[in-house]
Amino acid sequence: NAGVTQTPKFQVLKTGQSMTLQCAQDMNHEYMSWYRQDPGMGLRLIHYSVGAGITDQGEVPNGYNVSRSTTEDFPLRLLSAAPSQTSVYFCASSLVDPSRTQYFGPGTRLTVL
Amino acid sequence: SQKIEQNSEALNIQEGKTATLTCNYTNYSPAYLQWYRQDPGRGPVFLLLIRENEKEKRKERLKVTFDTTLKQSLFHITASQPADSATYLCALNNAGNMLTFGGGTRLMVKP
Repeated sequence: NAGVTQTPKFQVLKTGQSMTLQCAQDMNHEYMSWYRQDPGMGLRLIHYSVGAGITDQGEVPNGYNVSRSTTEDFPLRLLSAAPSQTSVYFCASSLVDPSRTQYFGPGTRLTVL
Repeated sequence: SQKIEQNSEALNIQEGKTATLTCNYTNYSPAYLQWYRQDPGRGPVFLLLIRENEKEKRKERLKVTFDTTLKQSLFHITASQPADSATYLCALNNAGNMLTFGGGTRLMVKP
């Protein structure tokens, strides 16, 4: 199993550009989530999904969109990139159990100029 | 508001000693508390989970305690090794859909 994969690993955008961060998992996990990690702020939940066709907002959803058309894929879209979205983005997945123990991808480092 | 606090200052210890990291929380009643390890440039990796009705959990050289009265968890690494150097994150879940992370504590084990 590849686990959780993310592409790209690095990305530089200009303010106002849009892009999609890709995330896929091959563990048949129903729950998937996106976090951003900033120095001194820890990991903050952006959006999550408890299954195909179901998504919900996390702590910091503004400026991001998600969709979940399959169990395996959970892309994160930046609609109009801003410098405040410069961060490291992690995708994670887990079984649908109450503890939500997360399996993380390797991350995408995004810089918005 | 809910808050999870971990010591933001790095913890420096000598090889062979026991490292103790602290996770404090306020305005939260977590059903589960988890600890993750994160190496530079990588995603966090799950280490241990402890439930609200458990006082202590062990796994090899790792031990986690959970005191719901003090609203605190302690994470211990015994016989620490330089390979244990990393950032350690605690995370809380009240059995809902959201897992909330602390800011992490960086551990440096010197040979």
